[in-house]
Amino acid sequence: DIVMTQSPDSLAVSLGERATINCKSSQSILHSSNKEDYLAWYQHKPGQPPKLLIYWASNRESGVPDRFSGSGSGTDFTLTISSLQAEDVAVYYCQQYYTSRGTFGQGTKLEIK
Amino acid sequence: EVQLVESGGGLVQPGGSLTLSCVASGFNFYGFEMNWVRLAPGTGLEWISYISSTGTTIYYADSVKGRFTTSRDNAKSSLYLQMNSLRADDTAVYYCAKGGGGYPLAYWGQGALVTVSS
Repeated sequence: DIVMTQSPDSLAVSLGERATINCKSSQSILHSSNKEDYLAWYQHKPGQPPKLLIYWASNRESGVPDRFSGSGSGTDFTLTISSLQAEDVAVYYCQQYYTSRGTFGQGTKLEIK
Repeated sequence: EVQLVESGGGLVQPGGSLTLSCVASGFNFYGFEMNWVRLAPGTGLEWISYISSTGTTIYYADSVKGRFTTSRDNAKSSLYLQMNSLRADDTAVYYCAKGGGGYPLAYWGQGALVTVSS
């Protein structure tokens, strides 16, 4: 299985400041046929199902605020929240869907400093 | 509107069995791959199973392989997870999710809590 590793495990950021979460895959998840990276980011709040934020590494899901952005390619990816809002407190996960065994990173807990 | 509704969760003794169901609506269920993902206390999301649209291809995480069985009934727009030989570390909220097979998990159910305890 492809192993996804996130860093850091937890992060405290002041309101209005930038938050950056990293994700590394154990092998490239860039598909040669369509040049797309099969990487998604999810936001998970307690008592709710996970919510898809970003897909194809950098495409924002409909309705997701534009302060959320994704970047990277191959094996290294980043989720950036440009100006942290109180409602962004959550656990964030990356997931590869390059294979049907769609493994997740271990999660990054984002809190307000 | 896409909806996924899980049911069947509950308390079960170690070594016991339980079957979860996920009823889908708002899309052509027969045309889409489905997955089971769980969140155990103090841990992160864990993908545990994938099933193709026709049900002919199924994958499992090593942690559940040989104990859990995923199936679907396209006529009933339903996904199932039969869980046998349950252990304490299977205690988790179990989510069904639409996607996989080269697509992200865009839609999720609300989750079903399974507690394995004597």
